[in-house]
Amino acid sequence: GAVVSQHPSWVICKSGTSVKIECRSLDFQATTMFWYRQFPKQSLMLMATSNEGSKATYEQGVEKDKFLINHASLTLSTLTVTSAHPEDSSFYICSAPRGGRGGEQYFGPGTRLTVT
Amino acid sequence: SQQGEEDPQALSIQEGENATMNCSYKTSINNLQWYRQNSGRGLVHLILIRSNEREKHSGRLRVTLDTSKKSSSLLITASRAADTASYFCALGPGGYQKVTFGTGTKLQVIP
Repeated sequence: GAVVSQHPSWVICKSGTSVKIECRSLDFQATTMFWYRQFPKQSLMLMATSNEGSKATYEQGVEKDKFLINHASLTLSTLTVTSAHPEDSSFYICSAPRGGRGGEQYFGPGTRLTVT
Repeated sequence: SQQGEEDPQALSIQEGENATMNCSYKTSINNLQWYRQNSGRGLVHLILIRSNEREKHSGRLRVTLDTSKKSSSLLITASRAADTASYFCALGPGGYQKVTFGTGTKLQVIP
């Protein structure tokens, strides 16, 4: 079964509104989670690293005020897309390292965001 | 951070044939991972190979790693239509550090 869940799986919102996406680790604790964005027919691009108990680390070019990340607990990280615009429409995927030295990632099923 | 370059970008084969895709990278790694993504879905972890390993098998999958050439290959034997997906290599520095994805290979297996 899935070890990382995301909610919602898809969302349609109007331009200017905010959308929150949840990422949960189901059977393990994750002090770190990663958020990726994937545009059609492209690879996954890391947006930010979510850290439990501290601020998220954003990749270059990602607006931290637009993509708010909160790592509320050891099993939950949320990504809020604020004042969404059509160009924010994308597939958002989170992952969490299972632990150990390998850095093996477990991925959520993704959230399809469409901004109209 | 570095990104793996995958080759070919797209591959179309007949069911039953073998599919080989390659990933090259530039800096040192702790491990290299392969993932599969069906269209519009999340990623599924396939295999992780560590930098001190040369080959690894999992069912119909065979992964090799050549750290001297900084390259890895994923071989899918006796392909099935259900193998149709995009395949990504991911470079792992280890521990809790972020994983960087390659450009991906889109595989189509024709029944």
